[in-house]
Amino acid sequence: DSGVTQTPKHLITATGQRVTLRCSPRSGDLSVYWYQQSLDQGLQFLIQYYNGEERAKGNILERFSAQQFPDLHSELNLSSLELGDSALYFCASSVVGTGEGEQFFGPGTRLTVL
Amino acid sequence: EDKVVQSPLSLVVHEGDTVTLNCSYEVTNFRSLLWYKQEKKAPTFLFMLTSSGIEKKSGRLSSILDKKELFSILNITATQTGDSAVYLCALSGGSNYKLTFGKGTLLTVNP
Repeated sequence: DSGVTQTPKHLITATGQRVTLRCSPRSGDLSVYWYQQSLDQGLQFLIQYYNGEERAKGNILERFSAQQFPDLHSELNLSSLELGDSALYFCASSVVGTGEGEQFFGPGTRLTVL
Repeated sequence: EDKVVQSPLSLVVHEGDTVTLNCSYEVTNFRSLLWYKQEKKAPTFLFMLTSSGIEKKSGRLSSILDKKELFSILNITATQTGDSAVYLCALSGGSNYKLTFGKGTLLTVNP
């Protein structure tokens, strides 16, 4: 158990819908990272927040957005869902805001878009 | 753009064998290279290698980093069935702080 929690574990929804994935980092970690893992693309970085502020962006679609709250938990919002958005979404956290620190991954949310 | 290439893509061995997994990379501004183990769930952190720490060892697992030749290897000795997993190599570098992952090596250890 990494100490990073994610809810829900599974999510099944329809195309065009909007969902929110939630992540709580390890105690003391200020950075939260979101990743998408699909069979063909592997693990892809989406976005990073550090102490409430956006720090870095990857290949995140405009339909996706995220935020980090004062208590440091983070939410990833996915809207106008398409079949291709079906994937595992991982949240990771680290102590520092830079890439030197190891990242610890949550159990993931499996999103299925029908 | 940072790039990570892992080889082989898959590997089948017998218990007790020694395996070497490879990771080569291209990076603009190297910060660290990380190895993760992924079973049917989240990636689990194994090692982080940096400019100041190019060799790491934990039990039967060890890893080295060659910054000159831009590669890293992960060695597993006396493999066990519990070592069966996907091993991911990830790179931290460039102008932001993301991890760039390779496609992984699927290791299957048969009894």
